[in-house]
Amino acid sequence: GDSVTQMEGPVTLSEEAFLTINCTYTATGYPSLFWYVQYPGEGLQLLLKATKADDKGSNKGFEATYRKETTSFHLEKGSVQVSDSAVYFCALSDQGGYSTLTFGKGTMLLVSP
Amino acid sequence: NAGVTQTPKFRVLKTGQSMTLLCAQDMNHEYMYWYRQDPGMGLRLIHYSVGEGTTAKGEVPDGYNVSRLKKQNFLLGLESAAPSQTSVYFCATKHRQSYEQYFGPGTRLTVT
Repeated sequence: GDSVTQMEGPVTLSEEAFLTINCTYTATGYPSLFWYVQYPGEGLQLLLKATKADDKGSNKGFEATYRKETTSFHLEKGSVQVSDSAVYFCALSDQGGYSTLTFGKGTMLLVSP
Repeated sequence: NAGVTQTPKFRVLKTGQSMTLLCAQDMNHEYMYWYRQDPGMGLRLIHYSVGEGTTAKGEVPDGYNVSRLKKQNFLLGLESAAPSQTSVYFCATKHRQSYEQYFGPGTRLTVT
């Protein structure tokens, strides 16, 4: 079945540091790929998405590129802020009609001033 | 617009008790989902619904039942709660022509 593997956390960075959170996937067909973010005590919010190979999703300074050849969708940000502290989930959506999501285990990011 | 709401926010049950979690949405979305979130496990799909009166099993359906009698509501039931069902439960909704799922704030359930 489909699966998503992302780097374990926590990832601890100082403000303005560069962020990379690795995500790789296994899927049949051509899934859509997502990054969701969960702030403390809240539900998940969509951060960015990519629906086909070589697409780049971007939002709020975060970027991720759909790499079919390496089955990866790594999340990057050039300069993190304290307010970026959250748990980040990589996910894929099947190509079937119901778009169920398969999530990675999540990576906690802690940014200190 | 309230978006996606979940009731209750917190609940403590004893083993063997039953309860129903309610998810309500005012976005007129066709698809609705129930997930559970456990430490180190990410989110796992319990059941989902693609329309009023239809439901389907997800990855971890055992011990749960669901109903979608109205388009705006999706109920998750636990008939006989077990400690293994201690978790945070999230509801999500999606328009059938969109990619994005919208999540509720979650229900934290503890079974003792």
